[in-house]
Amino acid sequence: GQQLNQSPQSMFIQEGEDVSMNCTSSSIFNTWLWYKQDPGEGPVLLIALYKAGELTSNGRLTAQFGITRKDSFLNISASIPSDVGIYFCAGQIPNNAGNMLTFGGGTRLMVKP
Amino acid sequence: EAGVTQFPSHSVIEKGQTVTLRCDPISGHDNLYWYRRVMGKEIKFLLHFVKESKQDESGMPNNRFLAERTGGTYSTLKVQPAELEDSGVYFCASSPLRGGLYNEQFFGPGTRLTVL
Repeated sequence: GQQLNQSPQSMFIQEGEDVSMNCTSSSIFNTWLWYKQDPGEGPVLLIALYKAGELTSNGRLTAQFGITRKDSFLNISASIPSDVGIYFCAGQIPNNAGNMLTFGGGTRLMVKP
Repeated sequence: EAGVTQFPSHSVIEKGQTVTLRCDPISGHDNLYWYRRVMGKEIKFLLHFVKESKQDESGMPNNRFLAERTGGTYSTLKVQPAELEDSGVYFCASSPLRGGLYNEQFFGPGTRLTVL
């Protein structure tokens, strides 16, 4: 089946630093998504990308949909303690059978104040 | 508006026992999905309901797992008999039934299942 390789698996950074994480796949996706999971909560959508090459920002977050449609990255600028959590990339191929998501393994982000 | 809710939040059972997880989607959402995250790995798709019908159950691990959505509202996922490898966090997500670029799936907080 399809697999998303997400890296790094974990990061421990100082408050104020920038963060970058990425996902790659051997398959093409039509939509790339980035989710964040806080402890005890479910994943929450941060950014959705629909077009190859698209660069989208949401506050301090910036994500890009790779031109080959097989990769995406997420950048967080000027990290703050509340950025702590697990970040997941996800790909989607909308089809008649439904819109199941294929997830990466997650990046656990820890921010030192 | 209430989000997706799941019950219980935690369940600890012994191997061979039966456990039933419940998901209440956002009111009016016809799409309901079950996902599972095992041992810190990726979140994996299990199945997808559209209203009360199973649209895609290609991710169900084996026949020990049974999902239902009678009446097209809440859904249950039963594991019988539970095995050690079933431990993990089970997420439910829902989305409205409409077209468009992306139909955002809203996730519940998950049920953490531990099989001893």
